[in-house]
Amino acid sequence: AQKVTQAQTEISVVEKEDVTLDCVYETRDTTYYLFWYKQPPSGELVFLIRRNSFDEQNEISGRYSWNFQKSTSSFNFTITASQVVDSAVYFCALSEVDGGSQGNLIFGKGTKLSVKP
Amino acid sequence: DTAVSQTPKYLVTQMGNDKSIKCEQNLGHDTMYWYKQDSKKFLKIMFSYNNKELIINETVPNRFSPKSPDKAHLNLHINSLELGDSAVYFCASSQEPRFYNEQFFGPGTRLTVL
Repeated sequence: AQKVTQAQTEISVVEKEDVTLDCVYETRDTTYYLFWYKQPPSGELVFLIRRNSFDEQNEISGRYSWNFQKSTSSFNFTITASQVVDSAVYFCALSEVDGGSQGNLIFGKGTKLSVKP
Repeated sequence: DTAVSQTPKYLVTQMGNDKSIKCEQNLGHDTMYWYKQDSKKFLKIMFSYNNKELIINETVPNRFSPKSPDKAHLNLHINSLELGDSAVYFCASSQEPRFYNEQFFGPGTRLTVL
């Protein structure tokens, strides 16, 4: 079973639109961490955010915001007023403290976001 | 200064050859990793390694072997290359505990096996 599911394979929006990238995870651990990474067309992977399982406060960083809901096992990422530079593949990832993944990151399959001018 | 560097950036080779990809990090991190990203962009861990333990993803063929001369380097050696090995390989590093700390990725090495 997939531990991290990003159901949206590709999303296309027009500049200035808001867009939400979904991430649903599965774990039996009570302590775990969730991450988002960005991979722009240039190919490098850039860390965006980390969230632990005990902190359900939403986070906002400029145009980016994250909504963590344990009840639905989701950690969604919203970009407000999208810009062309936001075009990238976005990965959600899970790390479990005690689970079989031995603390390593388990990535979702990524969502490719295209922002058109 | 580049935090995590990989060489080469591109590698084109014939089936059956043996090749290595080098990785260096100057962040003083304890743990280093190798990931494979396939043509569909799926990222999968191959190895994680620190001074004390090597954790191998069980799906990785034993033709792939990590070699770490010291804490700052983790090279990936691949024997008898196959067409299916074509992918982008990313090196990464993090501080321990690995489950908590973000990983810093290298720029990737695009391997093409002909």
